[in-house]
Amino acid sequence: AQSVSQHNHHVILSEAASLELGCNYSYGGTVNLFWYVQYPGQHLQLLLKYFSGDPLVKGIKGFEAEFIKSKFSFNLRKPSVQWSDTAEYFCAVTTGGGNKLTFGTGTQLKVEL
Amino acid sequence: EAQVTQNPRYLITVTGKKLTVTCSQNMNHEYMSWYRQDPGLGLRQIYYSMNVEVTDKGDVPEGYKVSRKEKRNFPLILESPSPNQTSLYFCASSLRPQIYGYTFGSGTRLTVV
Repeated sequence: AQSVSQHNHHVILSEAASLELGCNYSYGGTVNLFWYVQYPGQHLQLLLKYFSGDPLVKGIKGFEAEFIKSKFSFNLRKPSVQWSDTAEYFCAVTTGGGNKLTFGTGTQLKVEL
Repeated sequence: EAQVTQNPRYLITVTGKKLTVTCSQNMNHEYMSWYRQDPGLGLRQIYYSMNVEVTDKGDVPEGYKVSRKEKRNFPLILESPSPNQTSLYFCASSLRPQIYGYTFGSGTRLTVV
């Protein structure tokens, strides 16, 4: 069965620091990958997605992610975080051409002023 | 405005009292899904539906029922709620989750006492 691992459960950064959140999946075939963000008290919003093509994907709010097939990874990055990026971030995957979206356990990011 | 609407936003109920959480989408999406979110566990899929009258179990279906009589509606039914069903519930819809991911509703925070 497909699964997603997010090893960083809590991350605390200062404003302007660079961000990288890890995401690894366990599936040997075709995958589509997603990052969602959940601001405090709100629903999940799609940040970016990888379907095919260029493995470096750019999303909203200055976020990007790189699909590295050999490492089964899809890490989320942002060069300079802002206080408003404080939120929980979820990685998710569909596999083998199916439509079941499986989520990781999430990473809670806190950005301090 | 394209959206997924869940009601109610907050619900406190007693063990064993049947309840229904409604979900409606106005985007003509084929796929609809229910997730529950629990701290440290991320989002886990309860049930999903590929179209009218077509539903299937997700990862944690026990204690829940769903129906899809109309394309736009996908209610979640708890026939006999128990305290371990206290959680944050999200309804979601998609034209095709594999490609687009899901669009999420605002969530229903359920407490069963």
